Amino acid sequence: QLQLQESGPGLVKPSETLSLTCTVSGASVSSSSYYWGWIRQPPGKGLEWIGSIYYSGSTYYNPSLKSRVAIFVDTSKNQFSLKLSSVTATDTAIYYCTGSDYYYFDFWGQGTLVTVSS
Amino acid sequence: EIVMTQSPATLSVSPGERATLSCRASQSVGSSLAWYQQRPGQAPRLLIFGVSIRASGIPARFSGSGSGTEFTLTISSLQSEDFAVYYCQPYNKWPPVTFGGGTKVDIK
Repeated sequence: QLQLQESGPGLVKPSETLSLTCTVSGASVSSSSYYWGWIRQPPGKGLEWIGSIYYSGSTYYNPSLKSRVAIFVDTSKNQFSLKLSSVTATDTAIYYCTGSDYYYFDFWGQGTLVTVSS
Repeated sequence: EIVMTQSPATLSVSPGERATLSCRASQSVGSSLAWYQQRPGQAPRLLIFGVSIRASGIPARFSGSGSGTEFTLTISSLQSEDFAVYYCQPYNKWPPVTFGGGTKVDIK
């Protein structure tokens, strides 16, 4: 069974870069069977897709975040990561990493709250 | 981008009763629609994909229907663990991924 676990700082200063990592167990991040991705949820609000990456390295980003987002895979650690630059308070959210064998989201991490504040 | 509108925003239902949730798409998504359940303090989990196919481990009291632009999630007899927020997501055109705004099912 695929399992995902997010890790990273819970507090980021405005204008800095948010960096999160998702550790995958139960499958290889280089598997052609899965897309890996990030979804976030501001406190008390709905779900916002950030972006996804395929094993080939192809990336797909939310157009509203594209200029600030990068998702990449580290096959040596069986992890994938998110970097979101120039953060503001509106980037405060629970960040979930996801695994998909199609274009819906089968597997979710437990989520990690990231607060943007000085 | 496909815009998904869910209604109602909140649905108050008594345990044991039926709940019917709606999701409308701004353009046809065919049969490429998924539903998710999010219990308080938990990550969302996939309930249904392909409009009506239950994901692994999902009880039979959850059913989905519809096609094109109009979709329904029905919970036939609400259990205590079903009080949650439900989201729909189209996946016929990807990216970008979009979600509906959610329907909260709470206890009447």
